[in-house]
Amino acid sequence: RKEVEQDPGPFNVPEGATVAFNCTYSNSASQSFFWYRQDCRKEPKLLMSVYSSGNEDGRFTAQLNRASQYISLLIRDSKLSDSATYLCVVNRDDKIIFGKGTRLHILP
Amino acid sequence: DAGVIQSPRHEVTEMGQEVTLRCKPISGHNSLFWYRQTMMRGLELLIYFNNNVPIDDSGMPEDRFSAKMPNASFSTLKIQPSEPRDSAVYFCASSRESGTLGSPLHFGNGTRLTVT
Repeated sequence: RKEVEQDPGPFNVPEGATVAFNCTYSNSASQSFFWYRQDCRKEPKLLMSVYSSGNEDGRFTAQLNRASQYISLLIRDSKLSDSATYLCVVNRDDKIIFGKGTRLHILP
Repeated sequence: DAGVIQSPRHEVTEMGQEVTLRCKPISGHNSLFWYRQTMMRGLELLIYFNNNVPIDDSGMPEDRFSAKMPNASFSTLKIQPSEPRDSAVYFCASSRESGTLGSPLHFGNGTRLTVT
């Protein structure tokens, strides 16, 4: 089993809709969590950290469920510009592990 | 504020040739990472440095790959000899804090390597 797993998608979602996707991690010793966004042929960029209590940044909400070992990202009122690949990142000890990403297509 | 700077942006070379990728981290960042990205394998960590010292090179595929960080503002990743299966996008990233916990990564634009 991979240490960090994501549904590769693609998720095809109409503009304005709400979309959510999860990322599961296998090692309970994982210590910190992030979501990165990567546009086609570009570098990954930090979208948001994920805190234990859950956190929100505008239309984006990230949550952590340690008991079930997953993190989630919810995007409300999706925009065309949200189309990208969303990478889940898990830190454990001295390791930074990236998921392979979930592709999101927002449809006009 | 300059970000992480990588060069070249694109490299096309023939099998067997030596390839050198370069990276300048963000000033003041203590950690530097080299990643490789392919469709099949996603982002793979090759090696990372803290304060110019290699900490974990377990991701380096084989002896053909080597990385150096002679000072805080420069790192190289060298492949010698290159093979077609090395074709990928190579990213350099830096982070502010030593160690990896809690400090987000800032990526360069990447070097797209094609080995024919």
